[in-house]
Amino acid sequence: GEDVEQSLFLSVREGDSSVINCTYTDSSSTYLYWYKQEPGAGLQLLTYIFSNMDMKQDQRLTVLLNKKDKHLSLRIADTQTGDSAIYFCAEKKGGGNKLTFGTGTQLKVEL
Amino acid sequence: GAVVSQHPSRVICKSGTSVKIECRSLDFQATTMFWYRQFPKQSLMLMATSNEGSKATYEQGVEKDKFLINHASLTLSTLTVTSAHPEDSSFYICSAIKAGGPSYEQYFGPGTRLTVT
Repeated sequence: GEDVEQSLFLSVREGDSSVINCTYTDSSSTYLYWYKQEPGAGLQLLTYIFSNMDMKQDQRLTVLLNKKDKHLSLRIADTQTGDSAIYFCAEKKGGGNKLTFGTGTQLKVEL
Repeated sequence: GAVVSQHPSRVICKSGTSVKIECRSLDFQATTMFWYRQFPKQSLMLMATSNEGSKATYEQGVEKDKFLINHASLTLSTLTVTSAHPEDSSFYICSAIKAGGPSYEQYFGPGTRLTVT
């Protein structure tokens, strides 16, 4: 199958860490991405990870990839109110350019 | 940078009319652009892949005669929704890959909100 699934909603307090999870089904995925979408806006690429990597860190963002379980996660450290948005994971398979997006996780950051 | 713009950002049209949406790469050339649609509170669904100078490749279930795509230059792709109906109301987002750049990096436009009355 080609489903990419995410939990629909996550609520955290400002300053805490957020962990957004994603599961995919196609083991041929080569790149996995995290995008952020604010209300009424397009997608902003946050980070991506190549399938032969286990972890990638970029400032407050940490991506973990478990290929065996086909599980991808995004950890946001010191979550701020400006991080409130919908987060999409996406996978790119093989040599093609097509991206398959997850269902999206709405992150709400509370004071 | 890699900036992609869309025009218009929001459009309302009457049922039966056609509407054109533009996607431009502002500071780079894009040999490949993509068109997605997104329904409220849902994910993005790829509609078609647009390659400069050639016909677009449509995803299964997308009517090519209804959603006309033209990629006439390395910085512009257009999506024309012909004979629009209320069910075509959606958020349309384009993305682009830099010519000569890594194919794994797509840059997204801000989206166009289409409402058909």
